Amino acid sequence: DIQLTQSPSFLSASVGDRVTITCRASQDISSYLAWYQQKPGKAPKLLIYSASTLQSGVPSRFSGSGSGTEFTLTISSLQSEDFATYYCQQLNTFPRTFGQGTKLEI
Amino acid sequence: QVQLVESGGGVVQPGRSLRLSCAASGFTFSNYAMHWVRQAPGKGLDWVAVISYDGSNKYYADSVKGRFTISRDNSKNTLYLQMNSLETEDTAVYYCARDRCSGGVCFSHFDYWGQGTLVTVSS
Repeated sequence: DIQLTQSPSFLSASVGDRVTITCRASQDISSYLAWYQQKPGKAPKLLIYSASTLQSGVPSRFSGSGSGTEFTLTISSLQSEDFATYYCQQLNTFPRTFGQGTKLEI
Repeated sequence: QVQLVESGGGVVQPGRSLRLSCAASGFTFSNYAMHWVRQAPGKGLDWVAVISYDGSNKYYADSVKGRFTISRDNSKNTLYLQMNSLETEDTAVYYCARDRCSGGVCFSHFDYWGQGTLVTVSS
């Protein structure tokens, strides 16, 4: 199975900050990676797919990059509604796997 | 608009069975692969199973293989998860999610999710 390791697991930041979350895969997954945002008590929401394609309706302050085994999610200027937990997911093989999550806190 | 509504969760004893349902609306259900994903209390996301648009292909996480069965009824726009021999470790919120890929046997990212249904396995 492909393992995904996110770093950091916890991140404290302030409104207006630029933050970057990293996701490393245990083997080459090309660009088969998605990012999701989850708020407490809610279902996950798709942010980015194919490593760098922004899902329709997602603010442009979110961006993704990377290929192979290393990927990043960047939020250019944090807004209050961005404080949540973020997960990466590989879409290269089954079983689909998620990273352990990065909790972004104020 | 796309809607996915899970039901069937509840409290069940270890070793017993439960069937979850996911009612889909707002899109042509029979065109899309569908997934089940779970989340144990306070934990991360855990992919469970997928079924192709026509039910011909199914894949499972090792942790549920042989115990859980994913199925669908395209005439009823409904996805199912039959869970047998439940274990305490199966306690989680179970989400159904739509796969973005449509029109054939293909699999991609998850673009819509239901609100989840809680399954608690406890004696």
